[in-house]
Amino acid sequence: AQTVTQSQPEMSVQEAETVTLSCTYDTSESDYYLFWYKQPPSRQMILVIRQEAYKQQNATENRFSVNFQKAAKSFSLKISDSQLGDAAMYFCAYRTFTGTASKLTFGTGTRLQVTL
Amino acid sequence: DAGVIQSPRHEVTEMGQEVTLRCKPISGHNSLFWYRQTMMRGLELLIYFNNNVPIDDSGMPEDRFSAKMPNASFSTLKIQPSEPRDSAVYFCASSPWRGVGNQPQHFGDGTRLSIL
Repeated sequence: AQTVTQSQPEMSVQEAETVTLSCTYDTSESDYYLFWYKQPPSRQMILVIRQEAYKQQNATENRFSVNFQKAAKSFSLKISDSQLGDAAMYFCAYRTFTGTASKLTFGTGTRLQVTL
Repeated sequence: DAGVIQSPRHEVTEMGQEVTLRCKPISGHNSLFWYRQTMMRGLELLIYFNNNVPIDDSGMPEDRFSAKMPNASFSTLKIQPSEPRDSAVYFCASSPWRGVGNQPQHFGDGTRLSIL
């Protein structure tokens, strides 16, 4: 079974600075997908960014980028130019590539605080 | 476009009562997922459906929980009888399923369930 580990329960960053959230996972599969979701206090789950394991290029979405290290099974999220609206819980998630097994496995989350 | 719609948004009921949570997935999405979120256990997948058929219900905690998807636009999660330990936020999510796992899941706003 796949497992996802987020070792940082809480992180803090000053506005306009850069922060990196860590995520590691364990799998025996070679093809899979990785996601970062954001959950603000409103409790919505919002997709931030996704990465296909077969792609070597790291995904980027505006101020959000990932550092995907397949051999190390590491998938960190970098937030540049942090904004107050980035304060939220961030969840890393793993998804199987194909077949009928389509479920997401989530990490335990990292709470990000953004300070002035 | 309408997102995933869950109802009710909040539910407070007494132990022993039947609880029914409802979900309308995004039109055209043929995979539907029910998750439970608690402080202690994080986000757990309870059950998911592909094309209205339950694929994996291994996350359903016990026989008191049941889920149905009578058609492509509606699903229910029922707890009978409810217990205080069932108190949690229950999320429904949907995604297209085309045999690969790269389609992100879109989450509803969740139902906050409190069992007294």
